[in-house]
Amino acid sequence: QQQVKQSPQSLIVQKGGISIINCAYENTAFDYFPWYQQFPGKGPALLIAIRPDVSEKKEGRFTISFNKSAKQFSLHIMDSQPGDSATYFCAASISSATNKLIFGTGTLLAVQP
Amino acid sequence: GAVVSQHPSRVICKSGTSVKIECRSLDFQATTMFWYRQFPKKSLMLMATSNEGSKATYEQGVEKDKFLINHASLTLSTLTVTSAHPEDSSFYICSAWDLGGYTFGSGTRLTVV
Repeated sequence: QQQVKQSPQSLIVQKGGISIINCAYENTAFDYFPWYQQFPGKGPALLIAIRPDVSEKKEGRFTISFNKSAKQFSLHIMDSQPGDSATYFCAASISSATNKLIFGTGTLLAVQP
Repeated sequence: GAVVSQHPSRVICKSGTSVKIECRSLDFQATTMFWYRQFPKKSLMLMATSNEGSKATYEQGVEKDKFLINHASLTLSTLTVTSAHPEDSSFYICSAWDLGGYTFGSGTRLTVV
């Protein structure tokens, strides 16, 4: 019940296209759903996060769509750029200073010029 | 935003020696910090939760005597890999929670030769 399932494992998108990564969770107590971007040799960096009281959140080219009833959430990257090529992780937690973050398995995104 | 500083970024050590990795919260106090291990092209695996002033909580399968965690202040947690062996070579990342969410350090690449 603690798992977060992420798909696809890898994704190739043309420059200017839309990248879509999906995640699903089981634990209905989760109330914090962040997405992280990680470049090789670096720590994950927070891209955008959402809480279950909203169905969508947009920050620049990045949008999270959240479906509470289906227990799914997704990241959409609009106008994908070669600089977006990285590994993306979804995650979930019960937000608190002491609660751990449960990570998805990651998606390697390659944006072709 | 919150900043977590991790040091060193890279370390090479001889088999049998110990290595200490530091994780500092620069602009906030962190009663809890998290230590992760990441294998190439894999997701982050939580090793332990570090609690200020008390013993760390280790995840199942993580050897507490090999991976010593000390959280002596509200801004510093350390991970010591004791009697390191080549199989301990990995990317280690720390994280802490503040009001903006979980912030990650930049990671430490440990190579044991």
